[in-house]
Amino acid sequence: AAGVIQSPRHLIKEKRETATLKCYPIPRHDTVYWYQQGPGQDPQFLISFYEKMQSDKGSIPDRFSAQQFSDYHSELNMSSLELGDSALYFCASSLRRIQETQYFGPGTRLLVL
Amino acid sequence: RKEVEQDPGPFNVPEGATVAFNCTYSNSASQSFFWYRQDCRKEPKLLMSVYSSGNEDGRFTAQLNRASQYISLLIRDSKLSDSATYLCVVNTGGNMLTFGGGTRLMVKP
Repeated sequence: AAGVIQSPRHLIKEKRETATLKCYPIPRHDTVYWYQQGPGQDPQFLISFYEKMQSDKGSIPDRFSAQQFSDYHSELNMSSLELGDSALYFCASSLRRIQETQYFGPGTRLLVL
Repeated sequence: RKEVEQDPGPFNVPEGATVAFNCTYSNSASQSFFWYRQDCRKEPKLLMSVYSSGNEDGRFTAQLNRASQYISLLIRDSKLSDSATYLCVVNTGGNMLTFGGGTRLMVKP
């Protein structure tokens, strides 16, 4: 079965640069979620989108923004990168109308130097 | 205090052992509950949802006690491949998942 696709899988950036992470949800899933997992920590919810509208907002820094497009894929834009932004960024998707569980993509590992 | 708390372990058990993990959550309005499994540097994978009536999937049994705000996972006949971090996950509303810190399990031959 098709799973959540994330790209790139690995990304190296320098401080103050920008990065864009992409997420392609499972086909027919209408809701996308972004999570950040720092080293040795559990995943922290950042933001979610349902039908291209922001649904919930968690601990997403103001330097980050995200959107969901008409094909339901989502992009997380990160600007003025800091060393502390180095983490695994997971995207998850679900079918919201039936409160379906969330399925996670393989993640993007971001390293900020 | 974290919203979802777990014993971080590690739990070191021999193959074939039965092991139980516990988890408590603080938000009484929490709506749904899950156990996810995460292998090192990989994504969390859904192990099972947790229902008040309790549910079983092969060697895995999950229980939810809403009154005590307590969730458990029992693994019977442990396999080497069960070695992983087990994440207690709570949907606290709006489909936002809150993760416990995870319990690390190591199954040894």
